[in-house]
Amino acid sequence: NAGVMQNPRHLVRRRGQEARLRCSPMKGHSHVYWYRQLPEEGLKFMVYLQKENIIDESGMPKERFSAEFPKEGPSILRIQQVVRGDSAAYFCASSPNTYNEQFFGPGTRLTVL
Amino acid sequence: ILNVEQSPQSLHVQEGDSTNFTCSFPSSNFYALHWYRWETAKSPEALFVMTLNGDEKKKGRISATLNTKEGYSYLYIKGSQPEDSATYLCAFSPDTGGFKTIFGAGTRLFVKA
Repeated sequence: NAGVMQNPRHLVRRRGQEARLRCSPMKGHSHVYWYRQLPEEGLKFMVYLQKENIIDESGMPKERFSAEFPKEGPSILRIQQVVRGDSAAYFCASSPNTYNEQFFGPGTRLTVL
Repeated sequence: ILNVEQSPQSLHVQEGDSTNFTCSFPSSNFYALHWYRWETAKSPEALFVMTLNGDEKKKGRISATLNTKEGYSYLYIKGSQPEDSATYLCAFSPDTGGFKTIFGAGTRLFVKA
């Protein structure tokens, strides 16, 4: 049973470009969480999704950031017009139910030049 | 503002020592408390999820207790081994209608052989 997959593992973008981060949850998991880890900081909640629904996006910046979890395919975290402050590690986690233990992916390291 | 505090920030122990860390969280609107272990260059790995006041969980040499009335949890490691060196994160899930998981900054444990 494959774990949570994230790709790409490393992503370099120039200011103003778009970044798309993908997360494939563990088989049988329909709940996905996205977290951001800024340099020298801890994990910060961004958004919680179930299939085709955003359940809680209270941790996501209001502008430039969006997330989706379609019926088919991976969850996508999209950052438009990236700025240097978006440079961080982005982790996704999946779980079979709300509030169960979360299984984390390896993360995507985004660097904005 | 919902805040999760962990102490100490870091801890250096000798192999064979027993140790414990503290996680403090808001005592109101409690739903669940999670502990994760995060080794360098890996992803956070779930240790325990606790939901009931007085819960005690154990996995090998690691155990955890929960006091929801006063808002704290302890993680204990008995007979620390070098492979226990990692960052130990706790995370709080409030029962506020949203589903965010709020992580503490972690306790960094170094076990010297």
